[in-house]
Amino acid sequence: EIVLTQSPGTLSLSPGERATLSCRASQSVGSSSLAWYQQKPGQAPRLLISGASSRATGIPDRFSGSGSGTDFTLTISRLEPEDFAVYYCQQYGSSLTFGGGTKVEIK
Amino acid sequence: EVQLVESGGGLMQPGGSLRLSCAASGFTFSTYGMSWVRQAPGKGLECVSTISDSGTTTPYADSVKGRYTISRDNSRNTVYLQLNSLTAEDTAIYYCARARVAGTGSYYMDVWGKGTTVTVSS
Repeated sequence: EIVLTQSPGTLSLSPGERATLSCRASQSVGSSSLAWYQQKPGQAPRLLISGASSRATGIPDRFSGSGSGTDFTLTISRLEPEDFAVYYCQQYGSSLTFGGGTKVEIK
Repeated sequence: EVQLVESGGGLMQPGGSLRLSCAASGFTFSTYGMSWVRQAPGKGLECVSTISDSGTTTPYADSVKGRYTISRDNSRNTVYLQLNSLTAEDTAIYYCARARVAGTGSYYMDVWGKGTTVTVSS
């Protein structure tokens, strides 16, 4: 099973700042099969990124994904108030597993 | 509008059984895989099972193998999750999600329902 480790656990930033979230896999994720989700309190997760870098429909371009192999990154170029949430990565290159999440909180 | 609506959650006794339902609308249900993903209180996401468009099932979580069964009824645009032999560790919000198959044969989830809560307690 591919284990995904997300870091940091919590990111404290101010609106307008840049957020960089990491997702590291225990082994190579085939075909860049990595997705990112956003979850706000009391809400269901929402797909942001699939294929490591393809934004889902309706996702603002301040969200971008990059990486391959074992190291992936979600970048939020300028944080908006609605971006403070928990973010999960998920690999689907070999079976399916989620990372433990990164909380982006207001500093 | 693409929509998934879960139902069937509730307060259950340990050892009990429950069937969750997820009604889909706004897309051609029979051409998509469907997944159930759960989230224990204060914890992360765990995919428990996925069923392909053709009905092939894939259980992901070792903790539920042999106890949970996913199924679908394309005539009703509904996917089900049967939960048996419930324990306190099954307490979670259960989300239904539309599963997009990748070239790898596995899935990511592009549409999610709001979830239904299952609480197992005596």
